[in-house]
Amino acid sequence: QVRLRESGPGLLKPSETLSLTCEVSGVSIADSFWNWIRQTPGGALEWIGYSEDGGLPNYNPSLQSRVTISHDTPNNRVSLNLRSVTATDTAIYYCTRRASDYDYYFDSWGQGILVTVSS
Amino acid sequence: IQMTQSPSSLSSSIGDRVIITCRASQTVTTFLNWYQVRPGKAPELLIHSASSLHNGVPSRFAGSGFGTQFTLIINNLQPEDFATYYCQQAFSTPWTFGQGTKVDIK
Repeated sequence: QVRLRESGPGLLKPSETLSLTCEVSGVSIADSFWNWIRQTPGGALEWIGYSEDGGLPNYNPSLQSRVTISHDTPNNRVSLNLRSVTATDTAIYYCTRRASDYDYYFDSWGQGILVTVSS
Repeated sequence: IQMTQSPSSLSSSIGDRVIITCRASQTVTTFLNWYQVRPGKAPELLIHSASSLHNGVPSRFAGSGFGTQFTLIINNLQPEDFATYYCQQAFSTPWTFGQGTKVDIK
């Protein structure tokens, strides 16, 4: 069974860098595509991007200039970095899995982590 | 691609049939998924590829549609079904979601 668990700081100040980690168990991160998705306080879901082990990442153009998704294969973890945050980056951040290049859906989700940006 | 759901919210009773619609601003063929989100819980995939029930999802959930118009039907609404439902297109990146439909208790 695939399990995802997000961790990281819950409170940031404007202009800081958001750094989150997704610990994956039940599957090797080398075998799937790992996505980050966020849910705003208003409820809207926004796809941030994905990475595949050894492949090129694919980011939402709205965030592309500020985001990096990377893999820590030995520790089976996926990371999200979002630079220069503002209050509009306040959201619940989810780590999700897309099982393969032929599966166009997110079949596993973490519980999410609330990140608040406030001075 | 913009995704628009209707209604934005609805109130229903246990045992009711609920219908949620999702419209895409351009064709997504069958690259359309449905998710359930409950507060404090990991979101769950219900339907993928417009009409395929995900493993372990109860058969009271059903999806249909093609192109730009899609429907999620929940038959015999159960207490655990009170949640917010989102459609999502996977036809082209950036993948996008509908604004959500909140189903609460009448």
